Amino acid sequence: AQKITQTQPGMFVQEKEAVTLDCTYDTSDPSYGLFWYKQPSSGEMIFLIYQGSYDQQNATEGRYSLNFQKARKSANLVISASQLGDSAMYFCAMRVSDMRFGAGTRLTVKP
Amino acid sequence: NAGVTQTPKFQVLKTGQSMTLQCAQDMNHEYMSWYRQDPGMGLRLIHYSVGAGITDQGEVPNGYNVSRSTTEDFPLRLLSAAPSQTSVYFCASSYSGTSAYNEQFFGPGTRLTVL
Repeated sequence: AQKITQTQPGMFVQEKEAVTLDCTYDTSDPSYGLFWYKQPSSGEMIFLIYQGSYDQQNATEGRYSLNFQKARKSANLVISASQLGDSAMYFCAMRVSDMRFGAGTRLTVKP
Repeated sequence: NAGVTQTPKFQVLKTGQSMTLQCAQDMNHEYMSWYRQDPGMGLRLIHYSVGAGITDQGEVPNGYNVSRSTTEDFPLRLLSAAPSQTSVYFCASSYSGTSAYNEQFFGPGTRLTVL
């Protein structure tokens, strides 16, 4: 069975600083995808970044990067140069056959 | 493309009533899924489908039925609504039915209240 764990219910970061949101996962399947989604207060789910289990390099998308440590089964999201608009819920997800989500981390960016 | 659409946006039911939440996608995606999100929590998978005619249960399937007669549509049926089913329901789709490497695209959600 697949399991996703996000241990930080809430995080605070100062505007323009970097922040790391933690995600650990567990699966016995060698082929899987790891995803991060953002959910602002308006409620929609926005896809941010993806990492495949066989990818050798960490994924990056603009200010988002995914710190993939396969041996430790972690897939942390790093947001650089935080902006006020980054304040939202962030969900880590893993897909083997279906996609399962962690409980989420609420990020608040302080001016 | 409209992407993933869900109707209705809001719904109030009485305990014991039945209803169907509609979900449609116009991207020719093989994979479709339904999630529920309770306040302050993550998304929990209800049912999913890897292609027309194929459905499977997720983490929390009890009280819900699905069918997938076409590629485009994936309705979620509540047979006898209960207050515990008060939640926000999201439908999502992705290109491949079997690949682990495709992201899902989400609909805007349906907010359901059961009194």
